[in-house]
Amino acid sequence: SAVISQKPSRDICQRGTSLTIQCQVDSQVTMMFWYRQQPGQSLTLIATANQGSEATYESGFVIDKFPISRPNLTFSTLTVSNMSPEDSSIYLCSVEEGGPGTAATNEKLFFGSGTQLSVL
Amino acid sequence: AQSVTQLDSHVSVSEGTPVLLRCNYSSSYSPSLFWYVQHPNKGLQLLLKYTSAATLVKGINGFEAEFKKSETSFHLTKPSAHMSDAAEYFCVVSDPYAGNNRKLIWGLGTSLAVNP
Repeated sequence: SAVISQKPSRDICQRGTSLTIQCQVDSQVTMMFWYRQQPGQSLTLIATANQGSEATYESGFVIDKFPISRPNLTFSTLTVSNMSPEDSSIYLCSVEEGGPGTAATNEKLFFGSGTQLSVL
Repeated sequence: AQSVTQLDSHVSVSEGTPVLLRCNYSSSYSPSLFWYVQHPNKGLQLLLKYTSAATLVKGINGFEAEFKKSETSFHLTKPSAHMSDAAEYFCVVSDPYAGNNRKLIWGLGTSLAVNP
């Protein structure tokens, strides 16, 4: 099973600033996912990050607001740009079971413990 | 379009009594179904998954779920609740034929409280 370290675990930020969240995996993985979990809501997929290519964003999310880096098979970052109070949420990094060369089964996801962001 | 509905936003049980968390889904295909658990200040963890094999699926920590196609349900049960079961539970549906861009559709979650 993959172990995911996500930093920071929580932060309080001022309106208009940006925060970069880091996600480190203890094994090489093909696909990494970034989710948002707003208060009282379920998980919403922001984007899928594959190493060596541009991230694929879901409807309602754009690269200018949530730029993502995926420099290698064990690491990714998500930046929340020009923050507003509406961005206050938990942000979660996730990976699929199975590394490079294996079929993406979407059968099992491993999650980091999340970043709780509060924007004042 | 696929969807998933968790019928109870909050369930409260006494320790040692059965747990039932209800989930209904809507899917055009034979779906894959999952239950995830989220303990406070911890990451989400897969409890169990159904992928067109046995309709009764056993998971970790004594939980199990039964896939009932006629009722489009995938309820999560446990015979005897433990204090450590208190957490948020998410029912999730996935279309196995949607290709590389397939997404997981998450329910809104059910908060389980276990009273001593």
